[in-house]
Amino acid sequence: EVQLLESGGGLVQPGGSLRLSCAASGFTFSTQAMSWVRQAPGKGLEWVSGLSGTGGTTYYADSVKGRFTISRDNSKNTLYLQMNSLRAEDTAVYYCAKLRGYNWNYYFDYWGQGTLVTVSS
Amino acid sequence: EIVLTQSPATLSLSPGERATLSCGASQSVSSSYLAWYQQKPGLAPRLLIYGASSRATGIPDRFSGSGSGTDFTLTISRLEPEDFAVYYCQQYGSSPPWTFGQGTKVEIK
Repeated sequence: EVQLLESGGGLVQPGGSLRLSCAASGFTFSTQAMSWVRQAPGKGLEWVSGLSGTGGTTYYADSVKGRFTISRDNSKNTLYLQMNSLRAEDTAVYYCAKLRGYNWNYYFDYWGQGTLVTVSS
Repeated sequence: EIVLTQSPATLSLSPGERATLSCGASQSVSSSYLAWYQQKPGLAPRLLIYGASSRATGIPDRFSGSGSGTDFTLTISRLEPEDFAVYYCQQYGSSPPWTFGQGTKVEIK
């Protein structure tokens, strides 16, 4: 059974940093592309970032480019999202999601339960 | 970036009725790379449909997807109580950014 468990969310001041983690199990983590998707309170879904199985290819939404860094540790079956220079508009539930498809034509076939990030003074 | 527009924003129906949700794209979605997700309050989204019309594992056959190009549809043939939720479409027909529609809420009438 595929399981994705996010952690690391919390309250942070504007301009601060936070690192999210996503522990994966139930599949061969090192061969699967992964992603982060966020949802602001009461709003829709927004794709944030994606990463290939090897970690060699990354993509970012324009809204987070230059501030967020996605990475993975395949020895620990864990995905990360380092978030710097946080803004109030980054407040959201952040979901870790497993990607499925081919050649970066990917959809999200499994999702974690999400972790809440609140950026506020 | 492909913009997806879902309609209607809210659909008020009774259990047993048929639900038809639409997703329109600002440009053609190649190879029908369109997915649908269901989200219930406080929970993560769940994959329903991929490739415009293929049901994900474990999804009941009352859910069906259709369409191509710029117009896509999710149909729920007979609404069950557990189907009242928000539904999102997502296109993946090009390299990122992948985009979602703004969602359609299916509520009990």
